[in-house]
Amino acid sequence: DTAVSQTPKYLVTQMGNDKSIKCEQNLGHDTMYWYKQDSKKFLKIMFSYNNKELIINETVPNRFSPKSPDKAHLNLHINSLELGDSAVYFCASSQVFHEQFFGPGTRLTVL
Amino acid sequence: AQSVTQPDIHITVSEGASLELRCNYSYGATPYLFWYVQSPGQGLQLLLKYFSGDTLVQGIKGFEAEFKRSQSSFNLRKPSVHWSDAAEYFCAVVALNTGTASKLTFGTGTRLQVTL
Repeated sequence: DTAVSQTPKYLVTQMGNDKSIKCEQNLGHDTMYWYKQDSKKFLKIMFSYNNKELIINETVPNRFSPKSPDKAHLNLHINSLELGDSAVYFCASSQVFHEQFFGPGTRLTVL
Repeated sequence: AQSVTQPDIHITVSEGASLELRCNYSYGATPYLFWYVQSPGQGLQLLLKYFSGDTLVQGIKGFEAEFKRSQSSFNLRKPSVHWSDAAEYFCAVVALNTGTASKLTFGTGTRLQVTL
């Protein structure tokens, strides 16, 4: 009964490929997020959705496109992967004005 | 812009010793503050949070933090560290609240090493 789950846990791919990361939460939260953690462990928000609507869209390359089919799911699709996209991507969910619950992360390695 | 500073990149303490991890924030209004812990290869787990009220907040695993507005600080403490506390600790502040989503700004983290 994992609260926030992500698949896959590890993703190794070649430059130029397109890949997706999936996230699901069973907490009944209305808001979901994507964060990127770089090699120095710095965490930065990328996107936030509330009930399938994009709310926060940070300065992220257009190659990154989030999609929320319903409020329990938030997927991240990345086109034309680059070396600099290598990072750990975390999904999170919350009710507004409350703490965010994080998934286990997806470690993306671009070769 | 809102920011969080964790001055200590790496701290080593002996098991059983006390611990204090520093966090300073920059925020114009009353901040919502959090401490998260990340064990190796794991996601982030919330240790505690401050929204309002009592400035000394208790969290899980025996951690506590004190909000000091005059010092813009939210330091994390534990009276006796266990070897299992070795991890990366992140302080965070809600930098933006749109009404339907909250944007967290994180500090750069403090890596805690515990010696036996």
